[in-house]
Amino acid sequence: EAQVTQNPRYLITVTGKKLTVTCSQNMNHEYMSWYRQDPGLGLRQIYYSMNVEVTDKGDVPEGYKVSRKEKRNFPLILESPSPNQTSLYFCASSPRGQHYNSPLHFGNGTRLTVT
Amino acid sequence: DQQVKQNSPSLSVQEGRISILNCDYTNSMFDYFLWYKKYPAEGPTFLISISSIKDKNEDGRFTVFLNKSAKHLSLHIVPSQPGDSAVYFCAATAGTGANSKLTFGKGITLSVRP
Repeated sequence: EAQVTQNPRYLITVTGKKLTVTCSQNMNHEYMSWYRQDPGLGLRQIYYSMNVEVTDKGDVPEGYKVSRKEKRNFPLILESPSPNQTSLYFCASSPRGQHYNSPLHFGNGTRLTVT
Repeated sequence: DQQVKQNSPSLSVQEGRISILNCDYTNSMFDYFLWYKKYPAEGPTFLISISSIKDKNEDGRFTVFLNKSAKHLSLHIVPSQPGDSAVYFCAATAGTGANSKLTFGKGITLSVRP
């Protein structure tokens, strides 16, 4: 089954403790991206990757890191999480980008709470 | 600055009736628009899209209308079903470049009453 898999689904951590949220897709998509969803703010892009070893900042990249060493994986790293990073995170992928005839496929989300 | 606006946070409709979800945008460079649907505890899924060269696109019970002069689009669901109850995100992008960015609205929560 074609899918985007995120882990973990739920995570509670404390301020400053480094964490990684994994994302993997099995559709051989070139493009991958991370979003956060917050009440009243919709979906905002954190980072994206056009292909292996190519990453770029989205709208809200501060406090996050990503890497794209393999086509299928795009982990999100929080080196020193803070409470304002408490949010619902989505990983997404698409064949070529986020534009014409290339809709995003989303994972089921990771609910992160930082205390 | 919210370039894609979904000003009504929620909508409640009777089963069998029409649901109309509205979306406004401010960036005149946007030329492709998408709607995503999200159920609780799941990620958004693509629903329907429309290019700026069209004013209507239909897929089964779902139709999206685009009014470029008003910078307004709407999603019509006819007839509405309880399974349509979800959050609907409007999104827009400009150009066909590899780095063209997708901008999302805040979402509308649709409730379809049996």
